[in-house]
Amino acid sequence: QKEVEQDPGPLSVPEGAIVSLNCTYSNSAFQYFMWYRQYSRKGPELLMYTYSSGNKEDGRFTAQVDKSSKYISLFIRDSQPSDSATYLCAKSTNFGNEKLTFGTGTRLTIIP
Amino acid sequence: NAGVMQNPRHLVRRRGQEARLRCSPMKGHSHVYWYRQLPEEGLKFMVYLQKENIIDESGMPKERFSAEFPKEGPSILRIQQVVRGDSAAYFCASSPEKRGDEQFFGPGTRLTVL
Repeated sequence: QKEVEQDPGPLSVPEGAIVSLNCTYSNSAFQYFMWYRQYSRKGPELLMYTYSSGNKEDGRFTAQVDKSSKYISLFIRDSQPSDSATYLCAKSTNFGNEKLTFGTGTRLTIIP
Repeated sequence: NAGVMQNPRHLVRRRGQEARLRCSPMKGHSHVYWYRQLPEEGLKFMVYLQKENIIDESGMPKERFSAEFPKEGPSILRIQQVVRGDSAAYFCASSPEKRGDEQFFGPGTRLTVL
């Protein structure tokens, strides 16, 4: 069993729709959860990170963590064509100065 | 402030040759991480280094791969006697000394083994 499972997609939604991206993990030692966005032929960039169960909001993006079920989600409201990218969830035991464990990534396309 | 720099951006090698990938961390960052991304797969951790020290190499293949981060100069990921299965994108990330800050990724080096 992989430590982090993520549906690879691809996922296509119309512009303006709400997007839901999900990951599950198996290692309870993971405490920090991150979402990275990766445009084609580019390096990943951090979108959001969270530590505790519950929701964290940043503009159109909401990260949700449920530690009891080992499930994390990223919601994108009012999706834009510029949101088209691969979204990677990542986990670590601590935040910073430690390796990250990534999911396989979900390729998202927003259709104008 | 320049971001993480990686060179070359594209590297083509024939089977059996050596590949050297370079990574210059962001200014002020003393921690470097190397990840590999195979086609249609997520990033896989390879190695974590501080200046002159390997902190975690649990993701490094046992043979042909080595990494260093000397006191002066960039971090180097070295792959000896490359095989076709080494074809991938190799990403470097860096973070500052203090705990609690994110890893910033470079643009990657795309290695193609013919």
